Amino acid sequence: EAGVAQSPRYKIIEKRQSVAFWCNPISGHATLYWYQQILGQGPKLLIQFQNNGVVDDSQLPKDRFSAERLKGVDSTLKIQPAKLEDSAVYLCASSLEEKLFFGSGTQLSVL
Amino acid sequence: GDSVTQMEGPVTLSEEAFLTINCTYTATGYPSLFWYVQYPGEGLQLLLKATKADDKGSNKGFEATYRKETTSFHLEKGSVQVSDSAVYFCALSALNTGRRALTFGSGTRLQVQP
Repeated sequence: EAGVAQSPRYKIIEKRQSVAFWCNPISGHATLYWYQQILGQGPKLLIQFQNNGVVDDSQLPKDRFSAERLKGVDSTLKIQPAKLEDSAVYLCASSLEEKLFFGSGTQLSVL
Repeated sequence: GDSVTQMEGPVTLSEEAFLTINCTYTATGYPSLFWYVQYPGEGLQLLLKATKADDKGSNKGFEATYRKETTSFHLEKGSVQVSDSAVYFCALSALNTGRRALTFGSGTRLQVQP
């Protein structure tokens, strides 16, 4: 079966610019997650969706980050404006029950 | 809140050596525990899991036992191979709180030399 698809694979922007990441989860997976993985650290949850509703966005910096999941399938994560400390790999994952499947991530560099 | 603490790396071993990567956790209730692995250039993959106290998860020669009394879930392998070189993440999931999302440790890099 197809895995979790993410794009772009890499993105380089300057601070204060905007950027968007896209995720297509595994077909039929109701739960979708966005994680931020800073170099040398473990992934940190940003937001969790159940279908198209938000379950947990307590760690999402809402002044600059936003996410949506249209029609309960694809999802986009946006940063506006970006800061230097947003440089990280942004991981999307989906799950049907307890097992999470991760995409390869988008590596963001903010200069 | 929930948290996971792993031993710092990198861990450097010779092929066929015994591996232990320590992991302890803090959580309310009874979390499920996981080890994920990230091979170079690849995404995170589930390695093994345990859902209740005294359960042993195992896969590809790796094992970890859910120890409630010591709040630990140490990863072990009897004989490592060069192909085991990767970053290993311990994680927990607090299903009892309704959140299936994983809380990860900081990761431990394993380097196996031939």
